[in-house]
Amino acid sequence: DGGITQSPKYLFRKEGQNVTLSCEQNLNHDAMYWYRQDPGQGLRLIYYSQIVNDFQKGDIAEGYSVSREKKESFPLTVTSAQKNPTAFYLCASLPRGMNTEAFFGQGTRLTVV
Amino acid sequence: DQQVKQNSPSLSVQEGRISILNCDYTNSMFDYFLWYKKYPAEGPTFLISISSIKDKNEDGRFTVFLNKSAKHLSLHIVPSQPGDSAVYFCAAPSHNTDKLIFGTGTRLQVFP
Repeated sequence: DGGITQSPKYLFRKEGQNVTLSCEQNLNHDAMYWYRQDPGQGLRLIYYSQIVNDFQKGDIAEGYSVSREKKESFPLTVTSAQKNPTAFYLCASLPRGMNTEAFFGQGTRLTVV
Repeated sequence: DQQVKQNSPSLSVQEGRISILNCDYTNSMFDYFLWYKKYPAEGPTFLISISSIKDKNEDGRFTVFLNKSAKHLSLHIVPSQPGDSAVYFCAAPSHNTDKLIFGTGTRLQVFP
């Protein structure tokens, strides 16, 4: 079954630590996205990538980093520089340049303790 | 700059009645729009889409209407069911920036 998988579903981090959220897709999609959702807010774009070895900052990239070494994988690192990291993180993918729907993972709930 | 806006954060509708969720956009270059449904602690799931060459797209109980002159789209759900209670997002891909832009969402509650 093709799909997009995020892991882990729940993640706890101590203040001052970096943590990496995984996102893998086997849909052969070129484009991948990371969003953040906070209570009562919409989906805010953190980073996105259209092709391997290339990515762009979204609207709230500060305190985050990504890599795109493989088409299937787009991991997001939440660094200690992110002031309010506790949130629900969503990864999505879609074929580049096509008018079609994006597929989302099930999300990762990150809590800083 | 919020290019896709959902001005109603919440909507409450009785079961069996029509739910109408609204979305406005500012970028006239958008040529495709999508609606997603999201339950708490889950990823959004695709619901329905519409191309800018159409003004209506229907799929079962869900219909999306597009008014390009007003830069407005709406999602109609009829009849509404309790299982429709969720947050609904409208979205549009920006081809010149390659971003997939979402609105802030509308929380729909369908009560018996």
